[in-house]
Amino acid sequence: DIQMTQSPSSVSASVGDRVTITCQASQGISSWLAWYQQKPGKAPKLLIYAASSLQSGVPSRFSGSGSGTDFTLTISSLQPEDFATYYCQQAKSFPLTFGGGTKVEIK
Amino acid sequence: EVQLVESGGGLVQPGGSLRLSCAASGFTVSSSYMSWVRQAPGKGLEWVSVIYSGGRAYYADSEKGRVTISRDNSKNTLYLQMNSLGAEDTAVYYCARDSFSGSYGIVFDYWGQGTLVTVSS
Repeated sequence: DIQMTQSPSSVSASVGDRVTITCQASQGISSWLAWYQQKPGKAPKLLIYAASSLQSGVPSRFSGSGSGTDFTLTISSLQPEDFATYYCQQAKSFPLTFGGGTKVEIK
Repeated sequence: EVQLVESGGGLVQPGGSLRLSCAASGFTVSSSYMSWVRQAPGKGLEWVSVIYSGGRAYYADSEKGRVTISRDNSKNTLYLQMNSLGAEDTAVYYCARDSFSGSYGIVFDYWGQGTLVTVSS
């Protein structure tokens, strides 16, 4: 199985801050990576697919980069509605696996 | 508008069975790649199973032999039959759609609201 390791597990930030979350795969997955945002009590929401493609309707302050084993989700200017938990997911092979999540909290 | 509505969750005793349903609207389940993803209370996301439009299904290793994904085309509904349930199966179960049909691997761009399964005596 491909293990997905996210860091940090939590981050405290202020509105307007630039936030970067990393995700490392235990083996190369090319660009087969997605990022999701989840708010408490809600279903996850797809933000990024294919490592860097912005899902329709997602604000452009979200961006993804990376390939192979190392990936990054960046929020260029944190907004109040962005406080949530973020997950990466490898889409290369079964079983599909998620990272452990990164909680973005208000500083 | 695409909508996914799960049902069938509830309290079940260890060793019991449960069938979850996911009623879809705004698209055709049989033409889509559909998955189940679960989330234990306070924990992260865990993929359970996928069924391709052609009918092929894949399962997480931990679920093989205990769960079966299926669909009813006439009802436009996805199912997850779960047997031999244990406490570790307690979770919110989401159905999710990959409207890219695997073009970017299996990703989930539409999700239902989830249904809670609690396994306890």
